[in-house]
Amino acid sequence: EIVLTQSPTTMAASPGEKVTLTCRASSSVSYMHWYQQRSGTSPKLWIYETSKLASGVPNRFSGSGSGTSYSLTINSMETEDAATYYCQQGSSYPPTFGGGTKLELK
Amino acid sequence: VQLVESGGGLVQPGKSLKLSCSASGFTFSSYGMHWIRQAPGKGLDWVAYISSSSGTVYADAVKGRFTISRDNAKNTLYLQLNSLKSEDTAIYYCARPLRRVPFAYWGQGTLVTVSS
Repeated sequence: EIVLTQSPTTMAASPGEKVTLTCRASSSVSYMHWYQQRSGTSPKLWIYETSKLASGVPNRFSGSGSGTSYSLTINSMETEDAATYYCQQGSSYPPTFGGGTKLELK
Repeated sequence: VQLVESGGGLVQPGKSLKLSCSASGFTFSSYGMHWIRQAPGKGLDWVAYISSSSGTVYADAVKGRFTISRDNAKNTLYLQLNSLKSEDTAIYYCARPLRRVPFAYWGQGTLVTVSS
């Protein structure tokens, strides 16, 4: 099983601040997906295949990475971006998720 | 695409429960489907997958206790939960893939609480 480790576990950012979340895999994966989960709601696909934005995702978000290291970047933090973000690999079974990064508004 | 889970509730350890996921807005029979769960305040864990031809795969934590199935005539996905343990307490979500993305669409989830 591929283990995904996200960092930081929790962070706070001010409006307008640049934010980078990271996800490291225990073995190389072909691509990474990211999900956003706001409090009390179900997760939503946010970034797929490492760098493609899901429908409706603002272009201040971007994704990058390869091999065992991936990241999600918010170019300029906005209030609505406060949520928990999970990375997920589908390169091998079972599909696994990272433990999540809780992003709060400062 | 709409996915609506139901069937959750409070159940005693060792007992059983059957969850349902009603699908609409797409040709259900053409897609494999997943169940994912989230314990209170915790992260996401994949539970099981059923292909369009009803082949199944399970997480080790539920293998032998849970059964995923589907009824294409009713556009409904199921998860039979047997021999429930306290650690099975979670919100259970169904999800549909899109190309290489396994969890492109999610339902709203149904809460299962295992407690005496």
